[in-house]
Amino acid sequence: EVQLLESGGGLVQPGGSLRLSCAASGFTFSSYAMSWVRQAPGKGLEWVSTISGSGVDTYYADSVKGRFTISRDNSKNTLYLQMNSLRAEDTAVYFCARERYGAKSPWGQGTLVTVSS
Amino acid sequence: AIQMTQSPSSLSASVGDRVTITCRASQGIRNDLGWYQQKPGKAPKLLIYAAYNLQSGVPSRFSGSASGTDFTLTISSLQPEDFATYYCLQDYNYPQTFGQGTKVEIK
Repeated sequence: EVQLLESGGGLVQPGGSLRLSCAASGFTFSSYAMSWVRQAPGKGLEWVSTISGSGVDTYYADSVKGRFTISRDNSKNTLYLQMNSLRAEDTAVYFCARERYGAKSPWGQGTLVTVSS
Repeated sequence: AIQMTQSPSSLSASVGDRVTITCRASQGIRNDLGWYQQKPGKAPKLLIYAAYNLQSGVPSRFSGSASGTDFTLTISSLQPEDFATYYCLQDYNYPQTFGQGTKVEIK
């Protein structure tokens, strides 16, 4: 069974940093691009970042470019999102998702990041 | 960035109703569009990919269609478990962009 499990969320002060992880199982991790998508409380979905299967190619939303870094460790079947210079507007549930020809499936259950003093 | 204009933002419908939700892209995106269902407190679930293709395990009452830059999700006969919020997503280029969502509520 394909599974994605996020971790690393929590409460952080504005300007702080946090690293999210997404542990994958049930498929050949290195063969798939992976993405992060977030959802602010009561709001819609926002694409954040995507990384190719090899890790060579990365893409970011303008809202996080220069502050967030997506990476992966294919030997550990794990996807990461390093978030620096966090702002209140980064408060959201962060989901990881497997990519297949652009479509995202499955998704993890999400991890909540709260940026507040 | 490509804008995805989704309508309506909400709708009320009864069990058994036919429901249609539309997304309009601000430019051509071929058929690089997916539809997702999200229930409260849960992760989104892929329903349709590449505009027309039903994801494995998704009931056949869900279907997708396209005409130029207009994309439609149709639920042929609404079931109680279909009350949820639906989103379109263009994956034609980066940044990928979602529609604003359509909340389907019980009438």
